[in-house]
Amino acid sequence: ETGVTQTPRHLVMGMTNKKSLKCEQHLGHNAMYWYKQSAKKPLELMFVYNFKEQTENNSVPSRFSPECPNSSHLFLHLHTLQPEDSALYLCASSQELAGGHEQFFGPGTRLTVL
Amino acid sequence: AQKVTQAQTEISVVEKEDVTLDCVYETRDTTYYLFWYKQPPSGELVFLIRRNSFDEQNEISGRYSWNFQKSTSSFNFTITASQVVDSAVYFCALSVFYNQGGKLIFGQGTELSVKP
Repeated sequence: ETGVTQTPRHLVMGMTNKKSLKCEQHLGHNAMYWYKQSAKKPLELMFVYNFKEQTENNSVPSRFSPECPNSSHLFLHLHTLQPEDSALYLCASSQELAGGHEQFFGPGTRLTVL
Repeated sequence: AQKVTQAQTEISVVEKEDVTLDCVYETRDTTYYLFWYKQPPSGELVFLIRRNSFDEQNEISGRYSWNFQKSTSSFNFTITASQVVDSAVYFCALSVFYNQGGKLIFGQGTELSVKP
């Protein structure tokens, strides 16, 4: 596979469930990102990882827990979510963290919280 | 603080019309980068172009062209002879060059609908 892949593509969960989103990049990049895209809102940066280390947590509630075991994989663990967390969750990667490097995005996971 | 404004929320055109998507940015940094991304209905953001703050040359790629003007802090995107496949949400984004971050600041997006 090439580029950035995300699984699952669609997820429906109840507020008491625990689930995980997976992202894998096949580009040899060092930086990875999680974004949230709600309807009619701009993309919101959630987390940034550089060489497996978290460099940014953009005031994200603790019910979202990221994990980056290596530079190619990124997970977002979800628990006790709220209906307002329903959104498209996008993963991205870039060669380096510094500005100027374009980010390559995955297809996203469409999350619905009931 | 950095900010990107895409004042056009939705645009609807008929196939073969030309259409320009506006992007205005704000930053106090002298070194920065501007991007355009396309998000088709499938959801994946597709990178279209990157421009750094020191290169004001306009660029043309097929039916796409970009007009970067530092004097007005604008980075507008024109699609010539639009096609139905151009229907998507288009995002303009800004990235400043500092030691850590490399964050992309996105505009609200412009939803383009091209009708046959």
